[in-house]
Amino acid sequence: DTEVTQTPKHLVMGMTNKKSLKCEQHMGHRAMYWYKQKAKKPPELMFVYSYEKLSINESVPSRFSPECPNSSLLNLHLHALQPEDSALYLCASSRSEASGNTIYFGEGSWLTVV
Amino acid sequence: AQSVAQPEDQVNVAEGNPLTVKCTYSVSGNPYLFWYVQYPNRGLQFLLKYITGDNLVKGSYGFEAEFNKSQTSFHLKKPSALVSDSALYFCAPREGSSNTGKLIFGQGTTLQVKP
Repeated sequence: DTEVTQTPKHLVMGMTNKKSLKCEQHMGHRAMYWYKQKAKKPPELMFVYSYEKLSINESVPSRFSPECPNSSLLNLHLHALQPEDSALYLCASSRSEASGNTIYFGEGSWLTVV
Repeated sequence: AQSVAQPEDQVNVAEGNPLTVKCTYSVSGNPYLFWYVQYPNRGLQFLLKYITGDNLVKGSYGFEAEFNKSQTSFHLKKPSALVSDSALYFCAPREGSSNTGKLIFGQGTTLQVKP
């Protein structure tokens, strides 16, 4: 089973709202990732957590705040977003950050900022 | 700088014909090489990867990929295309020399298989 589950599938939020995206995996993976993807473009890495600690932040604006409550869960807290933040947000996981490990992606959360 | 080239934005093939989606890369060390597929309005699905060993790697849904070290290429192939293979395909090397290398995505190639 290589399932990464993301909720909600669709989210519409205003620029003053606070919302969260959630991600869960039960594969025992210790690395988890957030990516942002615009239509027909490659995914862009945002954050990497390794053993529940933030390992990589790709200079993401502070209006995006990641959180890893435990080894199975990853959240992305959203606040004061801009319309250009509208995109598909993909969560992913792998056994560890080691380069040979396969990264498995969820189905994504479609975010629209109005 | 690390880079990946998928030279064709779109590849069109007839159902039943063989298909090739090209990928060349410029990544330091001996990178690990991945292919992902994205169906419309879906997330990315892992297809196959090359770590070491046999240059021909077999993956999901009948896809395979050929690693060529001298040409730094990792082309995706399938002997007989299906209409359901129509999707967006990403080649993604990952630095092998670093223990925590990021996936470096190509721009993607849209595969269109016509009946």
